[in-house]
Amino acid sequence: KAGVTQTPRYLIKTRGQQVTLSCSPISGHRSVSWYQQTPGQGLQFLFEYFSETQRNKGNFPGRFSGRQFSNSRSEMNVSTLELGDSALYLCASSPGFGANVLTFGAGSRLTVL
Amino acid sequence: AQKITQTQPGMFVQEKEAVTLDCTYDTSDPSYGLFWYKQPSSGEMIFLIYQGSYDQQNATEGRYSLNFQKARKSANLVISASQLGDSAMYFCAMREFYNQGGKLIFGQGTELSVKP
Repeated sequence: KAGVTQTPRYLIKTRGQQVTLSCSPISGHRSVSWYQQTPGQGLQFLFEYFSETQRNKGNFPGRFSGRQFSNSRSEMNVSTLELGDSALYLCASSPGFGANVLTFGAGSRLTVL
Repeated sequence: AQKITQTQPGMFVQEKEAVTLDCTYDTSDPSYGLFWYKQPSSGEMIFLIYQGSYDQQNATEGRYSLNFQKARKSANLVISASQLGDSAMYFCAMREFYNQGGKLIFGQGTELSVKP
C-alpha cells in the first residue's frame, strides 16, 4: 500500500511569507505527527494530531500551526517565515494515538531566503 | 537535559563486518520505548527496530539487533554483515509513554559509511 506522502517535496520562500505543507498518511492510519530537522537542532517534534485534534505540541512559536482533516490528512502552516525555518519537515503516521511505530514520509525541504 | 545521546558523529565499517552504534538515554518514566531509524540521503526516515522498556529479551530484526542494557540506560544498535546500502544516518529515539502520545525524542545521529 502507499506510504506517507508529503507535498511539496521542495520549496523556496522568502522571509515574511507563509507556507503550507501537506501530509497524506498511510491508508487507515489516524495519527499524524510532524517533525522539523535542521543541521543545528536535529530532529524536533512539532505536533501530533489524532481524530482531528491536536494531542501533543512541541516547543515551537505560535507561527507554527497545523490541522488534521476528517480523512486524516494533515497540513502544517508556518507564517511570517524566518531564515531559521529553513529545514526538512517530516511527517509521520501511525495507526492510532501512541502507537509504537511511526512511518515517515520523505519530507518537505523548505528553504527561506 | 539531553535525553538521547549518540556520541559517535561518524563511523566507518568494512563491508561484511559488524558495527555497533551507541545510544544512551535518560528518562524518569518507567514505561518507554526505544527506536532506531535509518535516514538515507533521500531524507526518508526508515524504521529499523524497537525495544520496549519491559521487554526481557533484546530485539532483533534481520541483520539488526538492539543491545538493551536497562541499568546502564543504553540501547546500542548492532548491524551484522554490513552492506554498502547501509551507508546512511542512524538515529536513536525514545518515546516516554506517560502522557506523551507518539512524540519521539531523537538523538543527534551517527553517520555510518560502509567501505567496499
